[in-house]
Amino acid sequence: KAGVTQTPRYLIKTRGQQVTLSCSPISGHRSVSWYQQTPGQGLQFLFEYFSETQRNKGNFPGRFSGRQFSNSRSEMNVSTLELGDSALYLCASSLEGRGTGSNTEAFFGQGTRLTVV
Amino acid sequence: GNSVTQMEGPVTLSEEAFLTINCTYTATGYPSLFWYVQYPGEGLQLLLKATKADDKGSNKGFEATYRKETTSFHLEKGSVQVSDSAVYFCALSERAGGTSYGKLTFGQGTILTVHP
Repeated sequence: KAGVTQTPRYLIKTRGQQVTLSCSPISGHRSVSWYQQTPGQGLQFLFEYFSETQRNKGNFPGRFSGRQFSNSRSEMNVSTLELGDSALYLCASSLEGRGTGSNTEAFFGQGTRLTVV
Repeated sequence: GNSVTQMEGPVTLSEEAFLTINCTYTATGYPSLFWYVQYPGEGLQLLLKATKADDKGSNKGFEATYRKETTSFHLEKGSVQVSDSAVYFCALSERAGGTSYGKLTFGQGTILTVHP
């Protein structure tokens, strides 16, 4: 079956602009989580969506937001971009995101590389 | 809060050498523990996992045992190959009442390079 698909793979934006990243989870997966990966801070949790509701949120400013659609596809948006937002943004999907065993196993996409100039 | 600490890298080994990457964690309750691997230009792939104390996760020759008494989950492989060169991440997810929550807390990652 198809894996987690993130689009676009690469983006270059200017400071102050906004950006929207897309994630299509594995078919049947209802939980989608987003992570930011930078050389300095490593992998940090942004938020998790389940059934179109944000279920968990990391410690990021309000400029970072997301949503999930009825088909479980998710988007994240970053407004008023800063240089420090340059990162690899990873999306992960799982069956339920919560529970036991394989329900929580997370499958990651290849990521979107965002460069802010 | 929860945290994961991995041994500092990078780690450079010759093919067929023994690998250990140390991982310790701080968490409330009994988290589930994971090792993920990231190849250049790729996302993360789950390598192995353990959900309770004394569980041993294993995959592709890699092993790690959940040690509650030392709050550790060290990754080992008896004989590494050049194709094992990648970045390895230790991670945990919270558990409460027997239920795991999807949010993952990652260690800083360890770069492994294996030379022929």
